[in-house]
Amino acid sequence: DIQMTQSPSSLSASVGDRVTIACRASQSIGNYLNWYQQKPGEAPKVLIYAASNLQSGVPSRFSGSGSGTDFILTISSLQPEDFATYYCQQSYSTPTLTFGQGTKVEIK
Amino acid sequence: QVQLVQSGAEVKKPGASVKVSCKASGYTFTGYQIHWVRQAPGQGLEWMGWMNPNNGGRNYAQRFQGRVTMTRDTSISTAYMEVSMLTSDDTAVYYCARVVVVAATPHIDYWGQGSLVTVSS
Repeated sequence: DIQMTQSPSSLSASVGDRVTIACRASQSIGNYLNWYQQKPGEAPKVLIYAASNLQSGVPSRFSGSGSGTDFILTISSLQPEDFATYYCQQSYSTPTLTFGQGTKVEIK
Repeated sequence: QVQLVQSGAEVKKPGASVKVSCKASGYTFTGYQIHWVRQAPGQGLEWMGWMNPNNGGRNYAQRFQGRVTMTRDTSISTAYMEVSMLTSDDTAVYYCARVVVVAATPHIDYWGQGSLVTVSS
């Protein structure tokens, strides 16, 4: 089974900061990598699909990069509404989907 | 608009079963995979399995094999997931989710609102 590992597990940042979250797959998954944002009490929502494609309606301060085993989610200028937990998810082994353990972005 | 509306919260005793429903609207139910994901309190997202509403084909995560059953009723555009032999570790919010393929990459584009299942004696 493909394992997904995110780092860090949590981070503290200030409004306006540039934030990066890493996701590593246990084997090469091409660009079959998606990113989701989840706020407390809500269902997750997709931000980035296929490693670098911005979902419609998602602010352009979010971007994704990487391929193979290493991927990055970048928030170019953190906004108050971005404090949330972020998950990567592989779909290389579809229909089996695997999530990373999550990265919680907190206010410094 | 696309909606997935799930059944309400449940409280079950250890050893019991629970069946969660997920009613789809706003799109052709048989055209998209339905996946189930759960989230224990304060924990991350855990994929449980998927179902093809068109032909009923299904696949479950290994750790749930033998304890989870996913079904559907196409006449009412509703998917179901039943979990048996519940333990306290099954206390979680259970989500149904629609998977779409864009740029050859499957991803979840719509989620149900979640159904809280509490297992307690």
